[in-house]
Amino acid sequence: EIVLTQSPATLSLSPGERATLSCRASQSVSSYLAWYQQKPGQAPRLLIYDASNRATGIPARFSGSGSGTDFTLTISSLEPEDFAVYYCQQRSNWPRFTFGPGTKVDIK
Amino acid sequence: EVQLVQSGAEVKKPGESLKISCKGSGYSFTSYWIGWVRQMPGKGLEWMGIIYPGDSDTRYSPSFQGQVTISADKSISTAYLQWSSLKASDTAMYYCARYSSGWYAFDYWGQGTLVTVSS
Repeated sequence: EIVLTQSPATLSLSPGERATLSCRASQSVSSYLAWYQQKPGQAPRLLIYDASNRATGIPARFSGSGSGTDFTLTISSLEPEDFAVYYCQQRSNWPRFTFGPGTKVDIK
Repeated sequence: EVQLVQSGAEVKKPGESLKISCKGSGYSFTSYWIGWVRQMPGKGLEWMGIIYPGDSDTRYSPSFQGQVTISADKSISTAYLQWSSLKASDTAMYYCARYSSGWYAFDYWGQGTLVTVSS
């Protein structure tokens, strides 16, 4: 089973700052990596698919990069609504999906 | 507009059975896989299984195989997740989500169904 590790577990930043979130896979997942945002009391929302493509309606301040085992989600300038938990998810070995444990971005 | 609307919150006792639902609209329900995801209180997301409503092809996570049953009724565009005998450890929020084969990701999510199992 492919295991995803996310770091850091918590990221404390101020609005306007840049956020860099990491997701590492235990073996290569090619570019089959997605990122989701979840706010309290809400369902997850797809942000990035195929490692670097923004989903429909996602602001340009969100970007994804990486391939193989190392991936990054970058929020270029944090808006108040961006404070949330972020999960990565892989589907390299269909039909097996795994999610990372999440990174919480909170207000410093 | 694509929508996945899940059934309401449930409170059950250990040993009881339960079936929750997820109704899709705004797209061809039979052309997309529907996945189920568990989120235990204060925890992360766990993939449980996935079904293709077009032919009911169903795949399970090894962690959930034998613990739950996923099904679909394409005539009413609805997918289901059911338990035959609930345990307290099944207490969680359950989400259905549409899987985009082109994007390799879950692009639309239901609002979630909270299942509470308590004696």
